[in-house]
Amino acid sequence: QKEVEQNSGPLSVPEGAIASLNCTYSDRVSQSFFWYRQYSGKSPELIMSIYSNGDKEDGRFTAQLNKASQYVSLLIRDSQPSDSATYLCAVPSGAGKSTFGDGTTLTVKP
Amino acid sequence: ETGVTQTPRHLVMGMTNKKSLKCEQHLGHNAMYWYKQSAKKPLELMFVYSLEERVENNSVPSRFSPECPNSSHLFLHLHTLQPEDSALYLCASSQDLIAGHRTTNTGELFFGEGSRLTVL
Repeated sequence: QKEVEQNSGPLSVPEGAIASLNCTYSDRVSQSFFWYRQYSGKSPELIMSIYSNGDKEDGRFTAQLNKASQYVSLLIRDSQPSDSATYLCAVPSGAGKSTFGDGTTLTVKP
Repeated sequence: ETGVTQTPRHLVMGMTNKKSLKCEQHLGHNAMYWYKQSAKKPLELMFVYSLEERVENNSVPSRFSPECPNSSHLFLHLHTLQPEDSALYLCASSQDLIAGHRTTNTGELFFGEGSRLTVL
């Protein structure tokens, strides 16, 4: 089992819809979770962090964490074409180490 | 200058060449990283420096040699590379939490734009 797994994608949604990105992790002691966005040809950019069970909202983005199920998700409301990118889930897993998922590529169609 | 800058942005080298990638962070962070990103593969951690000491060497071949002269600069020296080493090499920095002699990675990484390496 991979340490961090994301839904394989690619994911395509129409403009204005909700995009749902999912991530599961294997290390039960993980305490913090991060979502990065990577546009094609660019480097990853941190967009959300979550540390506690429940929801965390930032504008159109909502991160959801369920530690019992070892599951973290990212919801993007009112999806825009500019949201088209690869989204990476990352989980710190030791001194100086973050393990990344394979990424889910999202396309928002106008 | 802001953020994390990497040079060169693109590099083409033969298998017998020696070259270096450079990274500089202007964020006042105390940890720096090299990641490798190949097509269709997840980000792979190569090296971690925290407080200028190497704390992670993720089973990277010796043809990759990191150097961290201070907390703001990180180099990756390359020699006798193979075509399969062609990839995007990303530098990142973070502000680790320090307690006594221990550092804890917060997980919040700030990436440079990357150096696209092609080995012929």
